[in-house]
Amino acid sequence: QTAVTQEPSFSVSPRGTVTLTCGLTSGSVSTSYYPSWYQQTPGQAPRTLIYSTNTRSSGVPDRFSGSILGNKAALTITGAQADDESDYYCVLYMGSGIWMFGGGTKLTVL
Amino acid sequence: EVQLVESGGGLVQPGGSLRLSCAASGFTVSSNYMNWVRQGPGKGLEWVSVIYSSGGTYYADSVKGRFTISRDNSKNTLYLQMSSLRAEDTAVYYCARYSSDEAFDIWGQGTVVTVSS
Repeated sequence: QTAVTQEPSFSVSPRGTVTLTCGLTSGSVSTSYYPSWYQQTPGQAPRTLIYSTNTRSSGVPDRFSGSILGNKAALTITGAQADDESDYYCVLYMGSGIWMFGGGTKLTVL
Repeated sequence: EVQLVESGGGLVQPGGSLRLSCAASGFTVSSNYMNWVRQGPGKGLEWVSVIYSSGGTYYADSVKGRFTISRDNSKNTLYLQMSSLRAEDTAVYYCARYSSDEAFDIWGQGTVVTVSS
């Protein structure tokens, strides 16, 4: 069965740029999967960052952007800040009423 | 204020049952795609189930045949009836709205379910 893939962990320097990706074990991610991205800190509910591939949710800083890069969805953080240190999840609509989350990426800012 | 408040979590023995509730305010449950998403201890998010505004329901393979999603329009509340519970169902269970903009845009604070003898 197809699974959604994310890098388990990533590290970025303060003020640096990082791109997290969201792929499929079989096939390519396109806008038809309506990729969206969520940020989660320990003990908190997820926060919506990006939806429908590249639309920022209300109140999300413009240093967060979404796109399709090659065969994956991507979340880019430009000018990372200390409080961007979080877990990041993507989710894809797989069709037939089914959604699937990626395993998440733990982002460290140091 | 638009919000979701879950309740009903607790400790249950393997093979047991539990019903979770998610009370909505500020919007109408029956007009939206309403979901349950769970997160096991130290694990990632896992989509569990959705009920469409039309009433159609869908489930992840891991819970199909054991969990039932439903809603009470008069109470503006979403439910998840869980049966034949297993240790691997131990998780924080979140309810979430999937908006017409294609986003899980409103999340509850979660309710903890522990399956253990």
